[in-house]
Amino acid sequence: QVQLEESGGGVVQPGRSLGLSCTASGFTFSSYGMHWVRQAPGKGLEWVAVISYDGSNKYYADSLRGRFTISRDNSKNTLYLQVNSLRAEDTAVYYCAKDVGVGWNYADDWGQGTLVTVAS
Amino acid sequence: EIVLTQSPGTLSLSPGERATLSCRASQSVSSNFLAWYQHKPGQAPRLLIYGASSRATGIPDRFSGSGSGTDFTLTISRQEPEDFAVYYCQQYGSTPFTFGPGTKVDIK
Repeated sequence: QVQLEESGGGVVQPGRSLGLSCTASGFTFSSYGMHWVRQAPGKGLEWVAVISYDGSNKYYADSLRGRFTISRDNSKNTLYLQVNSLRAEDTAVYYCAKDVGVGWNYADDWGQGTLVTVAS
Repeated sequence: EIVLTQSPGTLSLSPGERATLSCRASQSVSSNFLAWYQHKPGQAPRLLIYGASSRATGIPDRFSGSGSGTDFTLTISRQEPEDFAVYYCQQYGSTPFTFGPGTKVDIK
């Protein structure tokens, strides 16, 4: 049974940085691509980034490229998202999701999300 | 970037009624790589359909997807109480992957 658990959310001041983690279990983490998707309060889903199964390829939403960094540690079954220079509009629930394949596909399993609130 | 537009924004239905949700792309979706997700408040999104028309594992057959190119449809043949939620389409045919704004299906 696939399990994805996000952590690292909380209240952060504008301009600061934050690192999110997603711990995976129930599948061979190193064989699958992974995504981050976020949902701002009262808004829809927004795709953030994808990383291939081995971490060699990454892609970001156009509007987020530069401040967001996706990475993974297959030895720890963990996906990461580093967000720099946080803005109020980054306030959202951040979900990690498992790709159906090695990456660049749809996501077939999702975590419950972690809430990031950017406020002074 | 492919922009997805969903209509209607909100659909009010009674249990047992048929739901027809539309997703239109600003350009053709490569290989019809279009997915539909169901999302309820406080829960993880749930994959319903991939490849425009293939049902994901465990999804009831009252959910069906159709379409190609730029026009796609999600149909719920008979709305069950647990089907009231927000539905998103997403294209994964070209990066950046993008979601539509969602259609909320609520109880009439």
